[in-house]
Amino acid sequence: GQSLEQPSEVTAVEGAIVQINCTYQTSGFYGLSWYQQHDGGAPTFLSYNALDGLEETGRFSSFLSRSDSYGYLLLQELQMKDSASYFCAVRSNQAGTALIFGKGTTLSVSS
Amino acid sequence: GAGVSQSPSNKVTEKGKDVELRCDPISGHTALYWYRQSLGQGLEFLIYFQGNSAPDKSGLPSDRFSAERTGGSVSTLTIQRTQQEDSAVYLCASSLAPPGRDGYTFGSGTRLTVV
Repeated sequence: GQSLEQPSEVTAVEGAIVQINCTYQTSGFYGLSWYQQHDGGAPTFLSYNALDGLEETGRFSSFLSRSDSYGYLLLQELQMKDSASYFCAVRSNQAGTALIFGKGTTLSVSS
Repeated sequence: GAGVSQSPSNKVTEKGKDVELRCDPISGHTALYWYRQSLGQGLEFLIYFQGNSAPDKSGLPSDRFSAERTGGSVSTLTIQRTQQEDSAVYLCASSLAPPGRDGYTFGSGTRLTVV
């Protein structure tokens, strides 16, 4: 079956760097995605890695190692507004292009 | 439209009643997805529509749940004989298929409370 594992909680202070890891089990890998969800809000798309390596978008970067079935989201220069839940996701084995999401990592940024 | 629109934003219903949740996707997005998110939990896949093809219902938790998509656009998720365990936020998303580098665009969800 498919599964994604990520830590349930991470805490950090403003200005710091935090890494949220995600390991996955799936067949027919089509890429690893990351989404951010603020409390009470809709999930929003952050990044997508189809190939090994690091993708950078401003303060956020995402990394993928297909051989290790592993990826991470790196958040730099943390701000209070980065406090949110972060979900990694892979394409479903069964349902076309539907994504299967991890249970999410709650990031708390303090001053 | 500019984004994915869901209605109602909140719905309180009595156990045993039927409910209909509506999703209006982004124009031009051929794929539409329904997910359920219970309090503090991840997103549980329910059903997926791609263009005019038959929907993939592999995530529906029971035969009380059904969905349709009319004209390749608006979708309705129907829950019959609601139970308290159906209480959750129901999220709709749309995408170009496959989502790839553009990802999903989610609506703000419908918070369903079954009392």
